[in-house]
Amino acid sequence: GDSVTQMEGPVTLSEEAFLTINCTYTATGYPSLFWYVQYPGEGLQLLLKATKADDKGSNKGFEATYRKETTSFHLEKGSVQVSDSAVYFCALFTGAQKLVFGQGTRLTINP
Amino acid sequence: GAVVSQHPSRVICKSGTSVKIECRSLDFQATTMFWYRQFPKKSLMLMATSNEGSKATYEQGVEKDKFLINHASLTLSTLTVTSAHPEDSSFYICSARASGAKFSYEQYFGPGTRLTVT
Repeated sequence: GDSVTQMEGPVTLSEEAFLTINCTYTATGYPSLFWYVQYPGEGLQLLLKATKADDKGSNKGFEATYRKETTSFHLEKGSVQVSDSAVYFCALFTGAQKLVFGQGTRLTINP
Repeated sequence: GAVVSQHPSRVICKSGTSVKIECRSLDFQATTMFWYRQFPKKSLMLMATSNEGSKATYEQGVEKDKFLINHASLTLSTLTVTSAHPEDSSFYICSARASGAKFSYEQYFGPGTRLTVT
């Protein structure tokens, strides 16, 4: 079945460091891909999305490119801030109209 | 806009009792609501999809008699865990899709409810 695999956390970085959180997926067809972010005490929020191969989603300095050849959707940011500390979830939207999530990666940014 | 709340945020109950969790869309009407369960260091697992005014559709392996879902209005869905046992302890998250949403994947998530069964 459809599945998403994220890199294990937690990830701890210093402010202004470069961030990569790996995400790979298994799916039939061509799913839409997403990154969600969950700040402490809040619900998951859509961070960015890509709906077809080679699309790049971007928001708040974060980027991810839909790579069909490697079935990946890695999240990157060039210079992280303390306020980026959160849990990040990679997800895909299946042909059965359901969201399938990775296990989440907790990110902590130290000043 | 597009805020979803859950109540309570944390609940502790004794084994054998039932507990109800509410999910509300605060500033929009939600034709469809979803209930997820999250185990520690695991992904969110979809439990069921509920449409306002009709019976919920449960995912394979989810006991419908144990996890009762009611979606009686366009802004409220409830999940009742009946005869709770310690293995039901988990983090339960709801989400809501707005009526008339342009894309099927558009869902707004609540902050979750931590259930502990002792």
